[in-house]
Amino acid sequence: ETGVTQTPRHLVMGMTNKKSLKCEQHLGHNAMYWYKQSAKKPLELMFVYSLEERVENNSVPSRFSPECPNSSHLFLHLHTLQPEDSALYLCASSRTGGETQYFGPGTRLLVL
Amino acid sequence: GQQVMQIPQYQHVQEGEDFTTYCNSSTTLSNIQWYKQRPGGHPVFLIQLVKSGEVKKQKRLTFQFGEAKKNSSLHITATQTTDVGTYFCAGRGSNYQLIWGAGTKLIIKP
Repeated sequence: ETGVTQTPRHLVMGMTNKKSLKCEQHLGHNAMYWYKQSAKKPLELMFVYSLEERVENNSVPSRFSPECPNSSHLFLHLHTLQPEDSALYLCASSRTGGETQYFGPGTRLLVL
Repeated sequence: GQQVMQIPQYQHVQEGEDFTTYCNSSTTLSNIQWYKQRPGGHPVFLIQLVKSGEVKKQKRLTFQFGEAKKNSSLHITATQTTDVGTYFCAGRGSNYQLIWGAGTKLIIKP
């Protein structure tokens, strides 16, 4: 499945680093999502973009900063993260909000 | 806010036994979707149910949507090792976004 791609697949970063996660969808969808998946909370919705506008922000700390420059690309900028932010970060897209979501393979993040 | 409760959190079965996971919503849903996530993988869409009382089958998997469109279940008959993974339900709520259940992890006993 190559409809939604994510890079990098693995990332190790220190608490003072700045890094970005990238997601790209090749499905012509209008909605894109960031999720955090950890052992404690299986699937947490972080951000939703519809037609490049952010429509949902689920009380995510400001050290996570999303960017959606166009309907095919979504970024998650990371800075001064904490060890508890270590998790699998999944990107997904759908034709419109509430429809079937297609997930990328995820970025497994470790914060030291 | 709207919530979807999914139980059980884990289910251990012997290969060949059946498996069932249940989802209950606090509000009426316009549809419910089911996803499977294999170990080390990402969630993959299985099916969508839209109509009240709808039942759909995919080989050994049976999906049901309740009459009130507030609950749903997934039943797997005669589990196989390929069924291992976490099964998520996700309901479409009033704001047209998906509300995810916490998932049920299917574990096959050795």
